[in-house]
Amino acid sequence: GAGVSQSPSNKVTEKGKDVELRCDPISGHTALYWYRQSLGQGLEFLIYFQGNSAPDKSGLPSDRFSAERTGGSVSTLTIQRTQQEDSAVYLCASSSAGGGTQYFGPGTRLTVL
Amino acid sequence: QKEVEQDPGPLSVPEGAIVSLNCTYSNSAFQYFMWYRQYSRKGPELLMYTYSSGNKEDGRFTAQVDKSSKYISLFIRDSQPSDSATYLCAMSAEGSYGKLTFGQGTILTVHP
Repeated sequence: GAGVSQSPSNKVTEKGKDVELRCDPISGHTALYWYRQSLGQGLEFLIYFQGNSAPDKSGLPSDRFSAERTGGSVSTLTIQRTQQEDSAVYLCASSSAGGGTQYFGPGTRLTVL
Repeated sequence: QKEVEQDPGPLSVPEGAIVSLNCTYSNSAFQYFMWYRQYSRKGPELLMYTYSSGNKEDGRFTAQVDKSSKYISLFIRDSQPSDSATYLCAMSAEGSYGKLTFGQGTILTVHP
């Protein structure tokens, strides 16, 4: 079946602009995760949604970052007033249950000029 | 100091070699240990999963966890050029299994 999909695959934006990154998880997966991968920092956890529970936002680096998951499926990660240090690959993953095997999407490569 | 340390390499080996990849960690609450493989411009894919201490073998891959030393390893036997990728260790704690903490990743090249 279809895997995790993310859009756009690449995004170039100017410093100070807002961006929205989209994740479509595997159908039926109740858990959804966002990570950021950058040179020097590796892969960092950002936020985790599990069913109808309150999301674990403990990895969000600042209040400029937010995410929502509508209808228990698609998720959007929003970065407001982007900074150059936000440049990274943003990866989304989903699993059939909290703590189950996480299947990753191909990522969105964000470049902030 | 990062919770999980992994030598970024790069590591270059000839085809057929045995490869050893390692991570150390500082958080004694970690109970779930994973190895992911990531090809260029792709998302990571799960290779091996181990709960607590011990060994696990799957084909050419063996994962070892030594909780007393806070040290995990991945061995690849008879390495192939198709094994060339970045290998990431990841781990999580009981009750927070969804929140993975990753190592930096080791870049591996297997040359024919």
